[in-house]
Amino acid sequence: SQQGEEDPQALSIQEGENATMNCSYKTSINNLQWYRQNSGRGLVHLILIRSNEREKHSGRLRVTLDTSKKSSSLLITASRAADTASYFCATDARGSNYKLTFGKGTLLTVNP
Amino acid sequence: SQTIHQWPATLVQPVGSPLSLECTVEGTSNPNLYWYRQAAGRGLQLLFYSVGIGQISSEVPQNLSASRPQDRQFILSSKKLLLSDSGFYLCAWTQLGAGGVDTQYFGPGTRLTVL
Repeated sequence: SQQGEEDPQALSIQEGENATMNCSYKTSINNLQWYRQNSGRGLVHLILIRSNEREKHSGRLRVTLDTSKKSSSLLITASRAADTASYFCATDARGSNYKLTFGKGTLLTVNP
Repeated sequence: SQTIHQWPATLVQPVGSPLSLECTVEGTSNPNLYWYRQAAGRGLQLLFYSVGIGQISSEVPQNLSASRPQDRQFILSSKKLLLSDSGFYLCAWTQLGAGGVDTQYFGPGTRLTVL
């Protein structure tokens, strides 16, 4: 089954640095979404990018989508310790009208 | 505004005991509802989804079942828990948009430990 795969699995940076996480998927999609999960909590939606979009911004977040390479990236600029969390991409495959498929996530640690 | 509730927040159950986790959504009607399980340090595994009352689709065959007795209520059950059922259970809702599945909103989750 189609699955988003995040890369790297874990990322450790210093406060103020930028963090880039990547996601690859296998089949055509309607949209791709990024979520954040603090330890032991539910997921929080960050940003949705549709298959006809190439880039989207929201505050310190920048998401790109390359449908030819079936990949997406999430950039967090000027990271803060509070950004420490797991980040997941989720894809809505064309033809599966009701389901999102989540990757295994990237654990981001921002050191103060 | 919409909110989603899950209870209990944590649960410790012996092997072989029954299970009932509840999820309710407020502030929307006819949502799609989902149950996910997340093992420690892993991604989300979709267990069940529902597009309407009484309509349940199972993604992974196992000893769990789901029911949707009301439009905004989704229940995850088991008659006999296994050790492998331990995990973090998340309920989510969404509404199908013109561009496919739109944003999913997640509940706070239930941490289940089977001993």
